[in-house]
Amino acid sequence: AQTVTQSQPEMSVQEAETVTLSCTYDTSESNYYLFWYKQPPSRQMILVIRQEAYKQQNATENRFSVNFQKAAKSFSLKISDSQLGDTAMYFCASKYSGAGSYQLTFGKGTKLSVIP
Amino acid sequence: DTEVTQTPKHLVMGMTNKKSLKCEQHMGHRAMYWYKQKAKKPPELMFVYSYEKLSINESVPSRFSPECPNSSLLNLHLHALQPEDSALYLCASSQPDRLPQPQHFGDGTRLSIL
Repeated sequence: AQTVTQSQPEMSVQEAETVTLSCTYDTSESNYYLFWYKQPPSRQMILVIRQEAYKQQNATENRFSVNFQKAAKSFSLKISDSQLGDTAMYFCASKYSGAGSYQLTFGKGTKLSVIP
Repeated sequence: DTEVTQTPKHLVMGMTNKKSLKCEQHMGHRAMYWYKQKAKKPPELMFVYSYEKLSINESVPSRFSPECPNSSLLNLHLHALQPEDSALYLCASSQPDRLPQPQHFGDGTRLSIL
């Protein structure tokens, strides 16, 4: 079984500043994937970034980057140059990478507010 | 623009009504999902179809009935729902191969049960 923990229910950041959202996970699997999804008030779940557990290099997508610490089972998301459009719920999720595996395990989410 | 299209966007229904939620994707994905999401909570998996066959049913009450007519379409038939079934219903799709591609979500249907 996998569990995902997001310990920050709410956070705020000034526009143009940098913010880090934390996520820890627990899994007995050796092969898995980690994701950050964003859900703005418009409600669509949007994939922000993903990380393959076997890759040591941290994933980066424009202003979004992760700090993946496999031994510590930590997967934090850093948002640089925060923009008003980054205001959303952010969900960390994990998924076993074995064949026939479909289930995403979500954390409870962090509500991020970007302040003008 | 979302690549997974859900209709309707909003639905209000009484407890005795029968209605259906629809989901469509044209990305060639062969796995499709229904999730239920309550306010300020993460999505909860309800059903998974893989290659048009039901793979996972997470002990969902029988008043929810999924259907996958073809590889692009996914329906959720609703009948005799309860007020606690009011929620956002999200559809998603992915490629069910050994390198699990991330799930792509639709905008959801906001369902209210009177």
